[in-house]
Amino acid sequence: EIVMTQSPATLSVSPGERATLSCRASQSVGSNLAWYQQKPGQAPRLLIYAASARATGVPARFSGSGSGTEFTLTISSLQSEDCAVYYCHQYDHWPPPHTFGQGTKLEI
Amino acid sequence: EVQLVESGGGLVQPGGSLRLSCAASGFRFSDYAMTWVRQAPGKGLEWVSGIRYNGEDKYYADSVKGRFIISRDNSRNTVFLQMNSLTADDTAVYYCTKTGSSGWWGDHWGQGTLVTVSS
Repeated sequence: EIVMTQSPATLSVSPGERATLSCRASQSVGSNLAWYQQKPGQAPRLLIYAASARATGVPARFSGSGSGTEFTLTISSLQSEDCAVYYCHQYDHWPPPHTFGQGTKLEI
Repeated sequence: EVQLVESGGGLVQPGGSLRLSCAASGFRFSDYAMTWVRQAPGKGLEWVSGIRYNGEDKYYADSVKGRFIISRDNSRNTVFLQMNSLTADDTAVYYCTKTGSSGWWGDHWGQGTLVTVSS
């Protein structure tokens, strides 16, 4: 099973600043990586798939990069509504299971 | 608009069984793989099970293998999760997800259904 490790566990950033969230895979997952945002009491929402493709309706301030084992989610110019937990998810390994990182809590 | 509506959660005793359903609409259901993801209270996301578009291939996390069974009815646009031999560790919100067009990312998520295993 591929282990996904996210860092940091908690990130505190001021409004208008940039946030950089990291995700590392225990073995290569190519570009088969997604990022989700989860706000309290809500279901997760897809932000990024294929490592860097923005999902429909996701603001341009969210961007993803990386391949292989190292991935980054960047949120430029943070807004108050970006306060949430962010999860990475590999869907490369076949057959599944497809594993999630433990999450990064973003505080603003 | 894609909609996924889970149902069937509730309180069950240890060792008991429960069957979750996820009714899908707003897309061609029979074209997409579907998955179940769960989240224990205050914890992160855990991939539980997935099923191919035609129902012929099914996959499970080690934590539920041999106890849970995923299935789908393409005529009713519904995916199911039969959960047997439940333990307290299975207590979680269970989310149904639609996968993406070319990979098993969670394209859309339902609102979740809570399963509580307790005596």
